[in-house]
Amino acid sequence: LAKTTQPISMDSYEGQEVNITCSHNNIATNDYITWYQQFPSQGPRFIIQGYKTKVTNEVASLFIPADRKSSTLSLPRVSLSDTAVYYCLVGDPGVTYKYIFGTGTRLKVLA
Amino acid sequence: NAGVTQTPKFQVLKTGQSMTLQCAQDMNHNSMYWYRQDPGMGLRLIYYSASEGTTDKGEVPNGYNVSRLNKREFSLRLESAAPSQTSVYFCASSEPRWRASGNTIYFGEGSWLTVV
Repeated sequence: LAKTTQPISMDSYEGQEVNITCSHNNIATNDYITWYQQFPSQGPRFIIQGYKTKVTNEVASLFIPADRKSSTLSLPRVSLSDTAVYYCLVGDPGVTYKYIFGTGTRLKVLA
Repeated sequence: NAGVTQTPKFQVLKTGQSMTLQCAQDMNHNSMYWYRQDPGMGLRLIYYSASEGTTDKGEVPNGYNVSRLNKREFSLRLESAAPSQTSVYFCASSEPRWRASGNTIYFGEGSWLTVV
């Protein structure tokens, strides 16, 4: 099974940039890396997805090194509403559709 | 624009009772999933269905059965509920990754199940 490793929790202050790193040593050649955000009592929702190098959208950036064994989600200038759990997800290299979520990173943004 | 719909949203069961969680998606996705999330914990995959007519075990399949009724619907059944199955259950769906440049999974709003 594909396995990802993330920090369990992080604290930050409003206005700061937050970087959350995920390790995924057995990522498959054709797999993409996707990050999800989950608020309490809700299902996870898509934030950003990438294959290599850097991807940026209106809410976040995703940095992926050449070996693709890790990725970093970057949230610019966080606000209190960014307090959530963030999950890194990669496709299972053994079974295409067996998407395994890790423990996630619990981000707490402080005023 | 419903996306992924789960029913019921809340349910209380007695130990040993059975019940089925229903899930339907209207995005014409081929793949569907059932996850559980215990309080303060991450998501764990119970079962998934890569396409209509197929189902496979995930990380924690014991105590559950699933049925992919058609392309839209994927149900999760607890045959004999146990307190350890108290959790929030999320259904999800996705497109096969070979059809797009990537893949995103769309989740329902969750079903809160308590077994007493």
